[in-house]
Amino acid sequence: NAGVTQTPKFQVLKTGQSMTLQCAQDMNHEYMSWYRQDPGMGLRLIHYSVGAGITDQGEVPNGYNVSRSTTEDFPLRLLSAAPSQTSVYFCASSSFPLGQGPKRTQYFGPGTRLTVL
Amino acid sequence: KQEVTQIPAALSVPEGENLVLNCSFTDSAIYNLQWFRQDPGKGLTSLLLIQSSQREQTSGRLNASLDKSSGRSTLYIAASQPGDSATYLCAVNPSNTGKLIFGQGTTLQVKP
Repeated sequence: NAGVTQTPKFQVLKTGQSMTLQCAQDMNHEYMSWYRQDPGMGLRLIHYSVGAGITDQGEVPNGYNVSRSTTEDFPLRLLSAAPSQTSVYFCASSSFPLGQGPKRTQYFGPGTRLTVL
Repeated sequence: KQEVTQIPAALSVPEGENLVLNCSFTDSAIYNLQWFRQDPGKGLTSLLLIQSSQREQTSGRLNASLDKSSGRSTLYIAASQPGDSATYLCAVNPSNTGKLIFGQGTTLQVKP
């Protein structure tokens, strides 16, 4: 299994540009989520999904869109990039509800480092 | 609103020392708590998960404890090694939705 994969690894945008961060998992997990990590602030939840066709907002959803058309993919779209969106973005997945043993944990991708100029 | 705090933000110890990392949370109504490790430029790796009904979990040289009533968890690392150098994050799961609430992390350096 590849686990959770994210592309691109690095991205530089200009203010106002749009882009999509890709996330895919091959573990047949129902639950997927997006976090952003900023210095001194830990990870904060942006959006999450409990299954194909179902998404909801997390703690910091403004400026981001998501959709979940398949179990495997959960892309994050930046509509009009702003310097405040400079961050490291992590995608995560897990079985839902969290089960027993190894299925209980969330698996994280390697992250996308985004800089908005 | 649930808040998770990790103190200290950074810690440096000599190799071989036993150490404790602290995590506190403001709302004791949690489903579980996880400890993660993050290496520079990498994603997060789950180390230990403690269900709300449990007091502790162990994996190798790592032991995590949970005291819900006081809103505290500790991660104990025995006989630390330079390879343990990383940032350690704790995260609270309030309601089995997977919507984790993270602390800011403790960056550990173990010197040879």
